[in-house]
Amino acid sequence: DSGVTQTPKHLITATGQRVTLRCSPRSGDLSVYWYQQSLDQGLQFLIQYYNGEERAKGNILERFSAQQFPDLHSELNLSSLELGDSALYFCASSGTGTMNTEAFFGQGTRLTVV
Amino acid sequence: GESVGLHLPTLSVQEGDNSIINCAYSNSASDYFIWYKQESGKGPQFIIDIRSNMDKRQGQRVTVLLNKTVKHLSLQIAATQPGDSAVYFCAGGGKGGSYIPTFGRGTSLIVHP
Repeated sequence: DSGVTQTPKHLITATGQRVTLRCSPRSGDLSVYWYQQSLDQGLQFLIQYYNGEERAKGNILERFSAQQFPDLHSELNLSSLELGDSALYFCASSGTGTMNTEAFFGQGTRLTVV
Repeated sequence: GESVGLHLPTLSVQEGDNSIINCAYSNSASDYFIWYKQESGKGPQFIIDIRSNMDKRQGQRVTVLLNKTVKHLSLQIAATQPGDSAVYFCAGGGKGGSYIPTFGRGTSLIVHP
């Protein structure tokens, strides 16, 4: 158990809809990262938050957004969903130190858009 | 950001053999490189990291080698076991303390008993 909790584990929704994925980081971790994993693209970095503030953006679509709340949990919002958004979405967290390289991943949310 | 890629999508080995998984990177600016293991149905799990000022680091049954001259790193697993079957990712990251693991596509390691 990595200590990172993601809900829901599975989500099936229709094209055009909006969903929210939730992540609770490890206790004490200030950084949260979101990744998308699809069969043909591997693990793609989407966005990072650190202590409530957006820290870095990767290949995140404009239809997607995220936030980190004061209690450090994070949500990834996906809107106007398309079939191609079907993927595994992972959240990871890491500690406060800049030399801390280890990120802890949750079990992922499998999103299926039909 | 760092661009990393793995050489082979699949590696098959016999139980007890040593496994070597290779990875190439394009940007020399990363402060460190990391190997992750992802078992079926689970999230990636940290295995070992290596700072860019090192060329070798050993863990339990694993060794990572970094060759900065040719921008290549490898993960060696000794006495591979069926439980080592997974997808292995290399990731680079962290210039000046900015920690964003950037992953390659992954190599699927299949261990035959």
